[in-house]
Amino acid sequence: QVQLVQSGAEVKKPGASVKVSCKASGYTFTSYGISWVRQAPGQGLEWMGWISAYNGNTNYAQKLQGRVTMTTDTSTSTAYMELRSLRSDDTAVYYCARELADWAFDYWGQGTLVTVSS
Amino acid sequence: QSALTQPPSASGSPGQSVTISCTGTSSDVGGYNYVSWYQQHPGKAPKLMIYEVSKRPSGVPDRFSGSKSGNTASLTVSGLQAEDEADYYCSSIRVFGGGTKLTVL
Repeated sequence: QVQLVQSGAEVKKPGASVKVSCKASGYTFTSYGISWVRQAPGQGLEWMGWISAYNGNTNYAQKLQGRVTMTTDTSTSTAYMELRSLRSDDTAVYYCARELADWAFDYWGQGTLVTVSS
Repeated sequence: QSALTQPPSASGSPGQSVTISCTGTSSDVGGYNYVSWYQQHPGKAPKLMIYEVSKRPSGVPDRFSGSKSGNTASLTVSGLQAEDEADYYCSSIRVFGGGTKLTVL
C-alpha cells in the first residue's frame, strides 16, 4: 500500500533553516511528483511547491521563492523540503503529498510540526 | 493566485444532505475539470474525497458527490453521518479554498 512517512517534529529559532523528509513506499517513486503543503495552527491549507521525482524539476509558490528548496533521492525514494530564514509565521504542520497528473493529491504524509520560536 | 472561496461553516442533521460551494475564476475552477475535495479530521492529514470534479477514489462512500457550474464547484454529502463532521477543502490547479467546517447537528 502507498505510504508517505515524514520526519519528526522540529523546533527552530528565527533565521534558522529546517529540512523535512518524506519517505515513499508502495509505488514506483519516479512515476509521480510530490507536492508540499503546509497548515498554520487553526488555518487552512497552503500549497508550497512541487517536485518531479522523475527528473527533479520544481515549481515553487511565488511567496516562498528564494527561501524553499525541494529535492529528491531516488535511491531511497525520499523527498526533502528545506525552508530557510525561518520566521514565526512559518510555524505550521508541513505535509508531503503525492500529486496526480490532474493536480489532485491522493496520498499524504502524516505531517511534520515545525515550530519557530526564540 | 488567490485562494478559492468557501463558506466557513455548514451544518446538517443526520440523514440530511448538505452542499459546500467553492468559487474560483475562469483561470482555475471554471477553466479546467480539475477540482478536488479533501476531508480533514482534527489532528489528521487531509484525505482525498473527490477528484476531477466528480470522481471518487476507491473506498470513498458514494454519499459524497461533486459537481461544477461555471466558476463554482460543489461537494454534496448525502445521508449525513456523525463521522462526516470535519473540515473540507476544495482545490484547483494547486490553489486551495479556505476550508469549510461541517457540523453534524
